Amino acid sequence: DAGVTQSPTHLIKTRGQHVTLRCSPISGHKSVSWYQQVLGQGPQFIFQYYEKEERGRGNFPDRFSARQFPNYSSELNVNALLLGDSALYLCASSLSPGGTEAFFGQGTRLTVV
Amino acid sequence: GIQVEQSPPDLILQEGANSTLRCNFSDSVNNLQWFHQNPWGQLINLFYIPSGTKQNGRLSATTVATERYSLLYISSSQTTDSGVYFCAGKGAQKLVFGQGTRLTINP
Repeated sequence: DAGVTQSPTHLIKTRGQHVTLRCSPISGHKSVSWYQQVLGQGPQFIFQYYEKEERGRGNFPDRFSARQFPNYSSELNVNALLLGDSALYLCASSLSPGGTEAFFGQGTRLTVV
Repeated sequence: GIQVEQSPPDLILQEGANSTLRCNFSDSVNNLQWFHQNPWGQLINLFYIPSGTKQNGRLSATTVATERYSLLYISSSQTTDSGVYFCAGKGAQKLVFGQGTRLTINP
């Protein structure tokens, strides 16, 4: 069985541009969450989606948005990129939004120049 | 919200040594996980352990939920064990990560 897959793996963007990151969860998992990890820190929660509805949002500006599709895959969008958005973006999938085990993809490393 | 603290922040050991990593959390959690982050950034699941003790080869973990801490034990360390270890607790929807323990195993 395929694990959580994310695309692209690496991305370089210019300040002010827009970026879309993609995530496909493990088959059968209906919950997808997004995390941002800056160098030297632990991942920080951005969004959680379950059954195509937003179930949680972290302390990130409105430039960050996400959605989940009928096949449970998800996109994270970031508008008006800032240098500080440079980070590793991780997607996690789980069976449900509650206490079940989360599995992470390999991440997308975004560099904003 | 939940706060997660890990200790020590850095640990340097010789190959063959044993190590204990600690994770304290500020509130009750529905889920407690340990991860190893590989050099490419992927978080590898080690244990899903809301309570009790589990073992997997040279690694074992114990969570005492009533006292709000978890321990990760690594025995007979190998150089391939090097990297950053994270624990994360889940309250409502989100996993809250600690700052990690950077483990370096020297040959």
